[in-house]
Amino acid sequence: AQKVTQAQTEISVVEKEDVTLDCVYETRDTTYYLFWYKQPPSGELVFLIRRNSFDEQNEISGRYSWNFQKSTSSFNFTITASQVVDSAVYFCALSYATDSWGKFQFGAGTQVVVTP
Amino acid sequence: EAQVTQNPRYLITVTGKKLTVTCSQNMNHEYMSWYRQDPGLGLRQIYYSMNVEVTDKGDVPEGYKVSRKEKRNFPLILESPSPNQTSLYFCASSPRTSGSYNEQFFGPGTRLTVL
Repeated sequence: AQKVTQAQTEISVVEKEDVTLDCVYETRDTTYYLFWYKQPPSGELVFLIRRNSFDEQNEISGRYSWNFQKSTSSFNFTITASQVVDSAVYFCALSYATDSWGKFQFGAGTQVVVTP
Repeated sequence: EAQVTQNPRYLITVTGKKLTVTCSQNMNHEYMSWYRQDPGLGLRQIYYSMNVEVTDKGDVPEGYKVSRKEKRNFPLILESPSPNQTSLYFCASSPRTSGSYNEQFFGPGTRLTVL
């Protein structure tokens, strides 16, 4: 079964704390893509990162970093020195090609609340 | 401005009254998709389209129809809406390249209430 699990429903932190969002995925495919999206309170969905299954390099973009580990089927996301503007729902997503390219599975999302 | 537009943004309707939510993108993307977002369930894919005249089911297609007659448009049709289709709907498009997936660009969402 193709599945994305975000076990953390909500995480509350105080500004400047680091926060790590977990994402565990299941797929039969050897070729797949993983994504993170941000949904701020205004409701739009904003793309953050894409990673393909052959690239296990971790990535850092400003205060954001991603840790991809195929051995544990995880693609975790860390916000360093959180800010109030980071308050949002964050979704992890998986695309795969078992049936056809085009299917996407999203996790249930993790609500991050950053208080001043 | 490059964007995905959806109309209407808000809709309250009654059970059984056919409705269409339009989706249009101006980025010449091949791939388009519809999702519904419900609390605690994240986004679930309804239908997607790899190109004109090519559509396929996502995880929750029951009660929905789509068509892709033109590259830019991908309307979502509810022939006989029911209250369990009350949800927030997102349309998305992506510049898919062969064997690879790029980011999806999402529309602003349509909040549908079926009474």
